Order: sequence, then structure tokens, then C-alpha cells
Amino acid sequence: DIQMTQSPSSLSASVGDRVTITCRASQSITNYLNWYQQKPGKAPNLLIYAASILQSGVPSRFSGSGSGTDFTLTISSLQAEDFASYYCQQTYGTPPYTFGQGTKLEIK
Amino acid sequence: QVQLQESGPGLVKPSETLSLTCTVSGSSVRNGNCYWSWIRQPPGKGLEWIGFISYSGSTKYNPSLKSRVTISMDTSKNQFSLKLSSVTATDTAVYYCAKVRVGLTAPIDDWGQGTLVAVSS
Repeated sequence: DIQMTQSPSSLSASVGDRVTITCRASQSITNYLNWYQQKPGKAPNLLIYAASILQSGVPSRFSGSGSGTDFTLTISSLQAEDFASYYCQQTYGTPPYTFGQGTKLEIK
Repeated sequence: QVQLQESGPGLVKPSETLSLTCTVSGSSVRNGNCYWSWIRQPPGKGLEWIGFISYSGSTKYNPSLKSRVTISMDTSKNQFSLKLSSVTATDTAVYYCAKVRVGLTAPIDDWGQGTLVAVSS
């Protein structure tokens, strides 16, 4: 199975900050990488797919980049509603399509 | 937008079979642009991909669960289902049904609200 490792596991930041979350795959996954946001008690919500394509309706302050094994999710200017957990998911080749362990973004 | 709703028992005894159904509205389970998936999340932990079923009925499962899991589809009711046999306490989780967009990187673009299933005697 392809292992996905996110860093950091948790992060404290303030409204207006620029935040970057990293996801590393145990082998190359080209651009088969999706990002999700999950708020407490809610289902995850798709933010970015194919490493860098913004899902319809997602604010432009979210962006994704990377290919191969290293990927980043960036929030350019944190808003109050962005405090949540974030997960990457790889969908390369044969299942399972594994998720990272998550990054919890908290208010400083 | 597609809506998905999980249903099934919230409590299952150890060694028994967990059974959940997902009712889909706003799309057909025979839609060739979608796969239909199950994902779970133990309390306070991360997401685990269980598997999916395609519009044609073909399935893919997580190898770690493959011997215990079955995903099936009922096109007459526009539903798909999950069965997980021989459950233990480690199968306690919120179970989500979801729609996967076929193509590109198969993102999960619609989710049910999730249903908590506890395994306990």
C-alpha cells in the first residue's frame, strides 16, 4: 500500500496567516492527489483534486501544488471558517486509496 | 448536487455482520460518471478507505478488509450497501457513503452525513 504522511499533525495559526500543509507519498503518485477539509462532526469536503485543481465553489485562497511524492496545500489568508482538519488522499494505481493521517488547524 | 444518506443499526455485537445502506438522490447509481464508495473514521482518528462499486457492479476493496467486506448495489431502489462481517471493537467508527467522480484523480465529491456504528456486546 502507498503510505501518505502529512505534516504537521497539528498547527496553530491566526486569522490572516498564510498556512502550508505538506503531504508526502511513500512512492511516486504523479498528480493523483486530492485534498479534503473536515469540520468537527461533519463529513469531509473536497477542496482540491489532481494536486492543484480547485473544486468548484471552493474559495481561491486555497491552492495545491506538487507532483511525484511531495505535495502542499496552501491557504493564502486564513479565515475563521478555515479552522478544521485537512486530509490528503492518493488515488494512484491499485487500491487502497489511502488518506494521510490528517492535520488539525487550530486558532492561535 | 447529489445527496447520500446512510441507514442501518447503530450498534452491532462482536462477531456479527455490520450492514449499512446508502440511498442516493439526485443521480442514478447506474451513472457511468460515478463510483459509489464507503469510507470510515474511528472516533477521534483519521479516514480509512473501505472500497467502491462501479456503475457496472464491479468492486474494489481495501485489502486489509477484503476478506470481510462486500459492497453491492440495488438499482431498483437507487441504493448501494456495505456488509462487514466478523466485526470487533476496532470496527467502531463513523461510516460514510460517498460519490466518486470517475476520471482524473477520482475525487470524492459528495458525501453522506455519516452514521456512527458501535461494536459492543
